Amino acid sequence: SQQGEEDPQALSIQEGENATMNCSYKTSINNLQWYRQNSGRGLVHLILIRSNEREKHSGRLRVTLDTSKKSSSLLITASRAADTASYFCATVLTGANSKLTFGKGITLSVRP
Amino acid sequence: ETGVTQSPTHLIKTRGQQVTLRCSSQSGHNTVSWYQQALGQGPQFIFQYYREEENGRGNFPPRFSGLQFPNYSSELNVNALELDDSALYLCASRSLAGGATGELFFGEGSRLTVL
Repeated sequence: SQQGEEDPQALSIQEGENATMNCSYKTSINNLQWYRQNSGRGLVHLILIRSNEREKHSGRLRVTLDTSKKSSSLLITASRAADTASYFCATVLTGANSKLTFGKGITLSVRP
Repeated sequence: ETGVTQSPTHLIKTRGQQVTLRCSSQSGHNTVSWYQQALGQGPQFIFQYYREEENGRGNFPPRFSGLQFPNYSSELNVNALELDDSALYLCASRSLAGGATGELFFGEGSRLTVL
């Protein structure tokens, strides 16, 4: 079953614009992570935010977490054509065996 | 470059056959997990190994089995292949430094097609 649900399913923007992707989840989490996947290849870890954190930054990435609403957002600023990929949020549940539970992903297209 | 390598990259099998997929992770990555990703879906957790013992399993039948070896390599075995087993199989490792809930380092995957 899907713990995380990303929104929107697909996003198309112009190079230089910001991209905002959202993720909602259902149960208490230890942390939430965002991953990127190019064309059905392996996933690359982008950023991890713990349940006691509200915001984190990494380069052009900004992630927020609202545990009261069970939601997170990933902002990519000043997008580039190379940011075109699928983005997944994944949760590590409280008390779980540290497995990641992924959503279905968001397809981001950045037009040059 | 995650330091996790998988083989083979692509393979085709027929229904009822058996398959073994292999993964090699970095030194010091003592936790390895396997995920199945069907087309257009997110990865689904199959199982996890820590110090060569299975310590977590997702909703997959017993015909999915695995092994982890002391040299940071691991295997995923699938018996009696079904058409729905066609997917990208991803191996992921976690470092000791990252803790039990830290980030995963993924390989490029093995794409299995069952005919």
